[in-house]
Amino acid sequence: AQSVTQLDSHVSVSEGTPVLLRCNYSSSYSPSLFWYVQHPNKGLQLLLKYTSAATLVKGINGFEAEFKKSETSFHLTKPSAHMSDAAEYFCVVSVTPGYSSASKIIFGSGTRLSIRP
Amino acid sequence: NAGVTQTPKFQVLKTGQSMTLQCAQDMNHEYMSWYRQDPGMGLRLIHYSVGAGITDQGEVPNGYNVSRSTTEDFPLRLLSAAPSQTSVYFCASIPRAGVYNEQFFGPGTRLTVL
Repeated sequence: AQSVTQLDSHVSVSEGTPVLLRCNYSSSYSPSLFWYVQHPNKGLQLLLKYTSAATLVKGINGFEAEFKKSETSFHLTKPSAHMSDAAEYFCVVSVTPGYSSASKIIFGSGTRLSIRP
Repeated sequence: NAGVTQTPKFQVLKTGQSMTLQCAQDMNHEYMSWYRQDPGMGLRLIHYSVGAGITDQGEVPNGYNVSRSTTEDFPLRLLSAAPSQTSVYFCASIPRAGVYNEQFFGPGTRLTVL
């Protein structure tokens, strides 16, 4: 079975300080992992994705994430937070059990990121 | 390309009413899906489709019906609305059903059931 756990429902940081949003996953198959961002009253936008290539993945807006198989983690980081980063962030795991199967997609419960001036 | 479009953006229903949320994509994507988003629960899959004429249930299908008569359209029907269906609904698509590189989301429909 597959599952995703976002360890913090809310993270608050000061502008200009580092951001860390934590995500752990469980999967019976080799997973693909994603981070999406949702700004208030908007749809979801892809930040970055891991699909079995490089374990350190760079995304848009200065975000990056590292896939650590031994720790089953895919934490999202950014060196310096900006006010515009305030949003909800979702970690997503996807597996494709068989060649003819549809991908199974599981969303984490989300982490709300607040930025203090 | 318009991407994934959803109508309406907002809707208020009374308990027991029925309605259809529309979703369309113009990217020739195989896979389409409906999610509901509730506070603290992330996105939960309602129904999905891997191609025209093929639909299947997701995690929370009760009270909802779908059909996929064309590649482009994937409407979600609420048969008899209940207050528990108050939520934000997102439609999403993926180019190929068995290859998940990115999911494209519509802007959402905010539904309130009184």
